[in-house]
Amino acid sequence: EAGVAQSPRYKIIEKRQSVAFWCNPISGHATLYWYQQILGQGPKLLIQFQNNGVVDDSQLPKDRFSAERLKGVDSTLKIQPAKLEDSAVYLCASSLAWGIGDTEAFFGQGTRLTVV
Amino acid sequence: AQTVTQSQPEMSVQEAETVTLSCTYDTSENNYYLFWYKQPPSRQMILVIRQEAYKQQNATENRFSVNFQKAAKSFSLKISDSQLGDTAMYFCAFLVQGAQKLVFGQGTRLTINP
Repeated sequence: EAGVAQSPRYKIIEKRQSVAFWCNPISGHATLYWYQQILGQGPKLLIQFQNNGVVDDSQLPKDRFSAERLKGVDSTLKIQPAKLEDSAVYLCASSLAWGIGDTEAFFGQGTRLTVV
Repeated sequence: AQTVTQSQPEMSVQEAETVTLSCTYDTSENNYYLFWYKQPPSRQMILVIRQEAYKQQNATENRFSVNFQKAAKSFSLKISDSQLGDTAMYFCAFLVQGAQKLVFGQGTRLTINP
């Protein structure tokens, strides 16, 4: 079974530029998460999708961050314009669906973003 | 809101020793899940073990076991016969059944020395 795919693995941009990350979840997984992990901290949930609908985006800085999951499969996370404090690893995860017995989230390898 | 606290930023033990990582959480919910994830330098988060709050029996997966104390809201991870490959960041995480939001602690950096 293929895992969660993310690209790119690394990205370096200048502040005020824009950047996009891509995530392809495990086939059949309805729930998709984007997490931001700043160096030395635990992952923080940015947005959660159930199929193509948003379940939780309470911690997404909506003035600069946006995310979509067209057709309920793969997803993109965009930052525009980027700030220095956006430097972090962006993790994507997927799961079948919470609350129906399968409670494991599978993670991708993440994208390390450096804003200079 | 749910919070997860890991009070040990770093730990270091010798190979083959036993090590226990601590985690406490705060919630008013009754139905939830607790997890320990491992994050090696490759960055990929890997599930180590999970515990359903309604189960009194502590979960065990080979060399990994938990001590779940629901009343004390404590969820520690014990690694027996530690191996060099256990070196990684370990995160405690919490999920309320139905809410679908996975909340992580700050992590503990574990180093296994040869």
